[in-house]
Amino acid sequence: QKEVEQNSGPLSVPEGAIASLNCTYSDRGSQSFFWYRQYSGKSPELIMSIYSNGDKEDGRFTAQLNKASQYVSLLIRDSQPSDSATYLCAVNRGNTPLVFGKGTRLSVIA
Amino acid sequence: DAGVIQSPRHEVTEMGQEVTLRCKPISGHNSLFWYRQTMMRGLELLIYFNNNVPIDDSGMPEDRFSAKMPNASFSTLKIQPSEPRDSAVYFCASSYQGFHTEAFFGQGTRLTVV
Repeated sequence: QKEVEQNSGPLSVPEGAIASLNCTYSDRGSQSFFWYRQYSGKSPELIMSIYSNGDKEDGRFTAQLNKASQYVSLLIRDSQPSDSATYLCAVNRGNTPLVFGKGTRLSVIA
Repeated sequence: DAGVIQSPRHEVTEMGQEVTLRCKPISGHNSLFWYRQTMMRGLELLIYFNNNVPIDDSGMPEDRFSAKMPNASFSTLKIQPSEPRDSAVYFCASSYQGFHTEAFFGQGTRLTVV
């Protein structure tokens, strides 16, 4: 059973702080890793993808991947109230459907 | 460029009725996915198509659920008969089949079966 695990939260951080979201996965054959953001009542929206071990930065977002530990994380620097949403971790074997975690709800307090 | 288009956005129906959800994928994408999202179970894959061919329908919960993709620009998900436990948000997503390609989601259909 391929699984993706996330802490459901809520994770509360003050405005301007770093939010750290974590995800573990069970399928060692996973090749592609994605972070989606989902606002309440909206559809998931891709914000980051990562395929190799290490860090990948895009603006205020940094994705980190450690395949040996089967661990992927998302850091959000200078968190803003507009970052308040549910963050979904998704993985696949490269050309197979995405398997999603249940998401971590982030609340950024002004 | 238009994204993935789903209709209807909201559907309220009575138990036992047939429900049909519709999806138009992004032009040029050749993989299409139907997901269902609930608070308890999160986003679950129901079925996916590559080049209009169903590849894996193991996520379809029961025979009451069926899906078709008659051409590259249209897919339907049908529930017949519907039950209250089918109430959820149903998302259609599409992607270009290949390695390391992300999926793009439609706005979803919120289904309520009373």
